[in-house]
Amino acid sequence: DGGITQSPKYLFRKEGQNVTLSCEQNLNHDAMYWYRQDPGQGLRLIYYSQIVNDFQKGDIAEGYSVSREKKESFPLTVTSAQKNPTAFYLCASSPLRSFEDTQYFGPGTRLTVL
Amino acid sequence: AQSVSQHNHHVILSEAASLELGCNYSYGGTVNLFWYVQYPGQHLQLLLKYFSGDPLVKGIKGFEAEFIKSKFSFNLRKPSVQWSDTAEYFCAVNVPPGGSARQLTFGSGTQLTVLP
Repeated sequence: DGGITQSPKYLFRKEGQNVTLSCEQNLNHDAMYWYRQDPGQGLRLIYYSQIVNDFQKGDIAEGYSVSREKKESFPLTVTSAQKNPTAFYLCASSPLRSFEDTQYFGPGTRLTVL
Repeated sequence: AQSVSQHNHHVILSEAASLELGCNYSYGGTVNLFWYVQYPGQHLQLLLKYFSGDPLVKGIKGFEAEFIKSKFSFNLRKPSVQWSDTAEYFCAVNVPPGGSARQLTFGSGTQLTVLP
């Protein structure tokens, strides 16, 4: 069954703690992305990667870090430096094989900071 | 940088009513356009997309969208909505060329509620 998986579905964190969100894809896509969704604000890009061991900051990268050690995996760490981390986090991937490039999304992780 | 506006934040319709959700973007060059839908408790799904060619694009579940370049618009339409269309709808844009990772710029979303 091909697709993008994110875990966990719900995550609770105490203030001051780092937490890592998992994203795995078996679509053989080259590019992967992390977005943050807040009510009334749409989705905003945190980080993206188009190749293993390389990634770029998006619009709201402060307080977040990523790694891309394997093509199928793109974990996101929400650090204690992120001032307002409670949000819904979405991972996406795209093939980058053609002009018509489409991003496909995982089910998301809802992070709540207590 | 491009931006996307969805002026309708919440739309409430009765079943069988016609739907049109507005989407305008600001970018002077060639764009790729998308509509995504997020049903309650489900992940974001691609509804339809426009890259080039016929400006009237048909998507899944009877939805269509028309790209009007002169108006920088990509409005979503459905002639007769169903209760199951209740969801949040997002318009998004990115800029060609392909071959490199490009972010999608999203609108703020429109919550559609269809009353039975």
